Amino acid sequence: DIQMTQSPSSLSASAGDRVTISCRASQAISNNLAWFQQKPGKAPKSLIYAASTLQSRVSSKFNGSGSGTDFTLTISSLQPEDSATYYCQQYNSYPLTFGGGTKVEIK
Amino acid sequence: EVQLVESGGGLVQPGGSLRLSCAASGFPFTYYWMHWVRQVPGKGLLWVSLINTGGNITRYADSVKGRFTISRDNAKNTLFLQMNSLRAEDTGVYYCARNPSGTGGYWGQGTLVTVSS
Repeated sequence: DIQMTQSPSSLSASAGDRVTISCRASQAISNNLAWFQQKPGKAPKSLIYAASTLQSRVSSKFNGSGSGTDFTLTISSLQPEDSATYYCQQYNSYPLTFGGGTKVEIK
Repeated sequence: EVQLVESGGGLVQPGGSLRLSCAASGFPFTYYWMHWVRQVPGKGLLWVSLINTGGNITRYADSVKGRFTISRDNAKNTLFLQMNSLRAEDTGVYYCARNPSGTGGYWGQGTLVTVSS
């Protein structure tokens, strides 16, 4: 199975900051990576697929990049509504696997 | 409006069975691959299973293979997950998701399954 490792596991930043979350795959997965946002008590929301393609109606403040084994999710101009846990997932091979999540908090 | 509404969760004893349903509306159900994803409250996400548009391609996590069966009724716009030989570690919120890692990714609100004696 492909292991997905996210870092950091949590971060705290101020409103207006730019934050970056990393996701590393244990083997190359091309660009077959998705990002999800989950707010407390809510279902996950699909943000990005194919490493960098935004889902419809997702704010352009979210930016995904990377290929192979190393990927990043950048949130520009962090706002209180961005407080959530963010997960990456590889869909290059079965079983599909998620990273452990990164909890983003606003200072 | 796109909706995915899961049902069928509840408390079941170890070794028991449950059948989850996911009623889809507001979009052409037959166009999308569908997934089930589990989450233990307070923990991370675990992919469980997927099915293609026609229902002839299915895949499972190793931990549920041979015990869980995913299926769909395209005439009724409904996704199913038949769960047999349930174990304590199957406990969690089960989310139905439309092509979550592709175009049009969308998730339902989930249904809680608790396996306990």
